[in-house]
Amino acid sequence: DSGVTQTPKHLITATGQRVTLRCSPRSGDLSVYWYQQSLDQGLQFLIQYYNGEERAKGNILERFSAQQFPDLHSELNLSSLELGDSALYFCASSVKQSRDEQFFGPGTRLTVL
Amino acid sequence: GNSVTQMEGPVTLSEEAFLTINCTYTATGYPSLFWYVQYPGEGLQLLLKATKADDKGSNKGFEATYRKETTSFHLEKGSVQVSDSAVYFCALTVASGGSYIPTFGRGTSLIVHP
Repeated sequence: DSGVTQTPKHLITATGQRVTLRCSPRSGDLSVYWYQQSLDQGLQFLIQYYNGEERAKGNILERFSAQQFPDLHSELNLSSLELGDSALYFCASSVKQSRDEQFFGPGTRLTVL
Repeated sequence: GNSVTQMEGPVTLSEEAFLTINCTYTATGYPSLFWYVQYPGEGLQLLLKATKADDKGSNKGFEATYRKETTSFHLEKGSVQVSDSAVYFCALTVASGGSYIPTFGRGTSLIVHP
């Protein structure tokens, strides 16, 4: 158990819909990262927050957005969903925004029908 | 940009065989290097890391040495077990514009037969 929690574990929805994925980092960790894992693209870094502020952006689509709240939990919002958005979405946390290793949650499996 | 290239899998071995999974990288700057492991149905977990040239990371019998001259971080284990069957990811983190950008390889699946 990494100490990072993600909800829900599974999510099934339809094209065009909007969903919100939630992540609670390890106690004391200030940085949260979001990743998308799919068979064809591998593990893609989406976005990072540190202590409530966006710090780095990766391959995140404009239809996707995220935020980190004062209690340090984070939410990833996916809108206008397409079939190709079906993937595993992982959240990870680290103590600071640094070279530290990241601790990954168990993931949310999103299926878009 | 930064990138990590891993050998494609699956790698299939018999128990007690020697394992090597190759990883090479390109990075602007001086990265930290990591190997993560993902067991079926789980998130990634750190296996080992190295933060400077010639450092050797090791854990659970796995080793990898940070080779700056060849920009490589190959993962090795002398004798694999069935329980090592998983997907292995090579990754780097490097400073960029005041933040640290993580880059992961595509992962290499390891299957160990009894």
